[in-house]
Amino acid sequence: RKEVEQDPGPFNVPEGATVAFNCTYSNSASQSFFWYRQDCRKEPKLLMSVYSSGNEDGRFTAQLNRASQYISLLIRDSKLSDSATYLCVVNTGFQKLVFGTGTRLLVSP
Amino acid sequence: NAGVTQTPKFQVLKTGQSMTLQCAQDMNHEYMSWYRQDPGMGLRLIHYSVGAGITDQGEVPNGYNVSRSTTEDFPLRLLSAAPSQTSVYFCASSYSGHANYGYTFGSGTRLTVV
Repeated sequence: RKEVEQDPGPFNVPEGATVAFNCTYSNSASQSFFWYRQDCRKEPKLLMSVYSSGNEDGRFTAQLNRASQYISLLIRDSKLSDSATYLCVVNTGFQKLVFGTGTRLLVSP
Repeated sequence: NAGVTQTPKFQVLKTGQSMTLQCAQDMNHEYMSWYRQDPGMGLRLIHYSVGAGITDQGEVPNGYNVSRSTTEDFPLRLLSAAPSQTSVYFCASSYSGHANYGYTFGSGTRLTVV
């Protein structure tokens, strides 16, 4: 079983739609959690950290459920520019980030 | 502010050749690391460094060497290239090894070994 699992997609949604991605992790001792965004043939960039209380950054909302070892990312009012691959990332211990394989999002006009 | 700079951007090697992938950062970050990204595998940690003179192995270190003589530079050496090392390589740095500070990635090196 992979340490971090994501649905690879692609998720095809129209502009303005709301879309949610999920991620599960296997290491119950994991300490911190993130969503990174990666555009085609580009480097990953930090989108947002994920906190137990849930957190929001504009149109993006992240949730963490430690009991179920589950992380989610909600994108509201999707834009064409949101088309990318979204990487779920878990810090399983100091200096060790584990990356999911990513969920691809395609937003169409 | 350049951030993390990787060179070269593209490279083709023959099996058995050696080469060095360069990585430099100008943010005075203590923590630097190398990842490789392969289709369906996600990014995997090769080596990392928590400061000048200190390096350690990650998940997939075989066939690679690193050194950290300065805070700014963290080169990755392929000792004897193999087709299995065909991949995209990313260098990343962070203010601290604690990932809550976020990682800044370089733009990547696309390596093909034939």
